[in-house]
Amino acid sequence: QQQVKQSPQSLIVQKGGISIINCAYENTAFDYFPWYQQFPGKGPALLIAIRPDVSEKKEGRFTISFNKSAKQFSLHIMDSQPGDSATYFCAASKGGGADGLTFGKGTHLIIQP
Amino acid sequence: GAGVSQSPSNKVTEKGKDVELRCDPISGHTALYWYRQSLGQGLEFLIYFQGNSAPDKSGLPSDRFSAERTGGSVSTLTIQRTQQEDSAVYLCASSRDGQAGELFFGEGSRLTVL
Repeated sequence: QQQVKQSPQSLIVQKGGISIINCAYENTAFDYFPWYQQFPGKGPALLIAIRPDVSEKKEGRFTISFNKSAKQFSLHIMDSQPGDSATYFCAASKGGGADGLTFGKGTHLIIQP
Repeated sequence: GAGVSQSPSNKVTEKGKDVELRCDPISGHTALYWYRQSLGQGLEFLIYFQGNSAPDKSGLPSDRFSAERTGGSVSTLTIQRTQQEDSAVYLCASSRDGQAGELFFGEGSRLTVL
C-alpha cells in the first residue's frame, strides 16, 4: 500500500514558469511533510518542509501548500530555472518521525532554457 | 568529512555472491536509515537504527538482507546470495535524535548484480 502518492511522474517547464508537483497521503497520523531534491549521482537533500498547523510555507522561490482536509500538499517552484532540474520527492512522517520517512515515487523535473 | 559517507560508491558482483555496503553517518547523529532506490521506484525504506538497535526491520525485502550498527556509528548492510533484482542504489541517511524528518543522505552505493 502506497501511503504517499506523487504526481506527475515527470514534468517539463519553460524557464521562468511555475513548476507544480502534487502529493496525497492516506495516514492521518502523518505530522511532518518535507520535500527532498535529488540531482543525478547525489543523495536527496532536504529542500523545504511543513507541519499541518500551517497551510503554506515559503522559502525563496519554493512554496509548500498544505490542505489538511483533503490530505494533499504541493510544491510550487516560482520563476523556475534550469538549475532546478532534478528529481523531487515528497515525504511524510508521524509521531516525531523517529522511524523515518515515507517517500513518494518522485517527479523528474526538467526546466527548458 | 562533515557529511554521510558511503562505500563502495559502485559495486558490480555476480549473482549468488555476498556484498557488504558501509555507511559512516554524521558525527553525533544517533539515528541511521537505509533506503533502496530503484529506477522509477522512488525511495524504499529498508531499516533504521536508533543507537545500535533496530526497532523496525520490516522493510528488509528478504532474509538475505541484514544490517548492523556498532558503537552507535558505522553501519553495514549485508546482502547474501545476491540476485539480479537486488540491483539498485542503496542510500544511507542519518539524523539527530528526535528530528528524523531532517534526513541527511549519503551519495549512495550503486549495486549491479550480473
